[in-house]
Amino acid sequence: NAGVMQNPRHLVRRRGQEARLRCSPMKGHSHVYWYRQLPEEGLKFMVYLQKENIIDESGMPKERFSAEFPKEGPSILRIQQVVRGDSAAYFCASSPHRTSYEQYFGPGTRLTVT
Amino acid sequence: RKEVEQDPGPFNVPEGATVAFNCTYSNSASQSFFWYRQDCRKEPKLLMSVYSSGNEDGRFTAQLNRASQYISLLIRDSKLSDSATYLCVVNTGGGSNYKLTFGKGTLLTVNP
Repeated sequence: NAGVMQNPRHLVRRRGQEARLRCSPMKGHSHVYWYRQLPEEGLKFMVYLQKENIIDESGMPKERFSAEFPKEGPSILRIQQVVRGDSAAYFCASSPHRTSYEQYFGPGTRLTVT
Repeated sequence: RKEVEQDPGPFNVPEGATVAFNCTYSNSASQSFFWYRQDCRKEPKLLMSVYSSGNEDGRFTAQLNRASQYISLLIRDSKLSDSATYLCVVNTGGGSNYKLTFGKGTLLTVNP
């Protein structure tokens, strides 16, 4: 039973480019959460999605960031016009229900903006 | 006050030592509490949930004091493999009971 999968594991973008991070939840999980971990900081909640719905995006920066979880395919976190401050590890988690203690984390995508 | 605050560390201990981590949280409405472990450049993994009555899992003991809004983790007979960053995690509950709030973590290094 495969765990949460994220790709790419490492992503390098130049300032102004777009970054697309993908997350495939565990089989049977329909709830997806994205967290960001800046250097020397704790993980911060960004967004909670169910299939085709954004439930809570209160942790998303107001501009340049968007997320989706289509009916088919992985969840996508998209960052437009990246800046150096976007360099971080982005973790996706999934759960079978809307309960926090069952969130399983993927290996993360490390984004570096040069 | 930060939502979840942990000992800044780092902790360097010899094998076999007992080590304790402390954590405080600011939201008195928080309902669920956890300790996660994060190895260098890896994802966080749930170590244990923390219950009001205290709970133990092998060499690990977690305690919760709701009145003081304080959580602790005790590791006995520490092993080299316990070297990691330990994250105190709180769920605020209510309508946002899916949202985990993480402390910055405390780095533990167990030395031979």
